[in-house]
Amino acid sequence: KAGVTQTPRYLIKTRGQQVTLSCSPISGHRSVSWYQQTPGQGLQFLFEYFSETQRNKGNFPGRFSGRQFSNSRSEMNVSTLELGDSALYLCASSLGGAYEKLFFGSGTQLSVL
Amino acid sequence: ILNVEQSPQSLHVQEGDSTNFTCSFPSSNFYALHWYRWETAKSPEALFVMTLNGDEKKKGRISATLNTKEGYSYLYIKGSQPEDSATYLCAFQDSGGSNYKLTFGKGTLLTVNP
Repeated sequence: KAGVTQTPRYLIKTRGQQVTLSCSPISGHRSVSWYQQTPGQGLQFLFEYFSETQRNKGNFPGRFSGRQFSNSRSEMNVSTLELGDSALYLCASSLGGAYEKLFFGSGTQLSVL
Repeated sequence: ILNVEQSPQSLHVQEGDSTNFTCSFPSSNFYALHWYRWETAKSPEALFVMTLNGDEKKKGRISATLNTKEGYSYLYIKGSQPEDSATYLCAFQDSGGSNYKLTFGKGTLLTVNP
């Protein structure tokens, strides 16, 4: 059974640009969550999607957005990149019910220059 | 803003030592407490999801306990091995409108020396 796949693995962008990250969940999983990891910070919740609907959103500016497609694949978009957006972005999938453990992808390392 | 604290920040032990670390979380609006292990260059991997006060979970040499009334969970590793070296993360899930959001602590970095 294939795991959670994130693409690309590494990305270098400059300030002001926008970026789109992709996440393919484990087959059968309908929930996809996105987290940001920066040095010195824990994993910070961005948002969670289930069956194409955003169920929860974290405390990030509107420049961070996401969506989920009918096949449960998800994309995250960051517009007008800032230096502080440099981070490891992890997505995680689950069946979507209560108390479900998350299965994480390997992440996308974004560097903003 | 939910506060999830983990201690210690880092820990060095010798192979064969037993060790434990703590996760503190809000004692109100508890829904679930997760533990994950994150090895370098790999993805975080779920260890346990704990939901009831007094819960005890075990997976091989690793076990965890939960006290929701006082807001803490302990993770124990018996007879540490070098392959246990990793960052151990706990994550709190509250019963408010954010059931599907996990609030993570910053983790405990465990290094097991052979």
